[in-house]
Amino acid sequence: EVQLVESGGVVVQPGGSLRLSCAASGFTFDDYTMHWVRQAPGKGLEWVSLISWDGGSTYYADSVKGRFTISRDNSKNSLYLQMNSLRTEDTALYYCAKDPSPTVTTITLDYWGQGTLVTVSS
Amino acid sequence: QSVLTQPPSVSAAPGQKVTISCSGSSSNIGNNYVSWYQQLPGTAPKLLIYENNKRPSGIPDRFSGSKSGTSATLGITGLQTGDEADYYCGTWDSSLSAGGVFGGGTKLTVL
Repeated sequence: EVQLVESGGVVVQPGGSLRLSCAASGFTFDDYTMHWVRQAPGKGLEWVSLISWDGGSTYYADSVKGRFTISRDNSKNSLYLQMNSLRTEDTALYYCAKDPSPTVTTITLDYWGQGTLVTVSS
Repeated sequence: QSVLTQPPSVSAAPGQKVTISCSGSSSNIGNNYVSWYQQLPGTAPKLLIYENNKRPSGIPDRFSGSKSGTSATLGITGLQTGDEADYYCGTWDSSLSAGGVFGGGTKLTVL
């Protein structure tokens, strides 16, 4: 059974930093592109970032470019999101998701975690 | 404001059919596959349709997807009260700011 479990969400002050983690199991982690998607309270989905199976390709939404860094450790079946210079508008539930597509430029998110809540507030 | 445009809400009676539209441009829907997601209240999104019109295993054939030009459509037939949820379209955007994009979401009410 595929499982994605996010962690690391907390309350942090504006300008602070945070690292989210996503532990994957039930599939061959290093075969797949992985994504972070966020959802602000009461709002829609916002794509944040993706990383290819080997970490060789990464993409970011303009809203987080230069502040967030996606990475993965295939030996630990884990996905990460390093979040710096946090803003109040980064407050959201952050999901990690698996993508079975053979190319990074196709968005097909077939499994999602339950999310971890990041609150940026003073 | 979302790159992909969806109606904020749609409604229909049980047993009826509903369609949800998703409008984009040549840099996203026009040249890339579209996927659709269902988000029931308080839960993570679930993949309904991928590569415009394919259903993952376990998704009933009441759900269908299509694409024409720079627009895509999700169809749901035989509506059930359990279909009440938010629905999102998603795709890749190949513009200078390349990345994934979602529609703003459509709230389906089954009257």
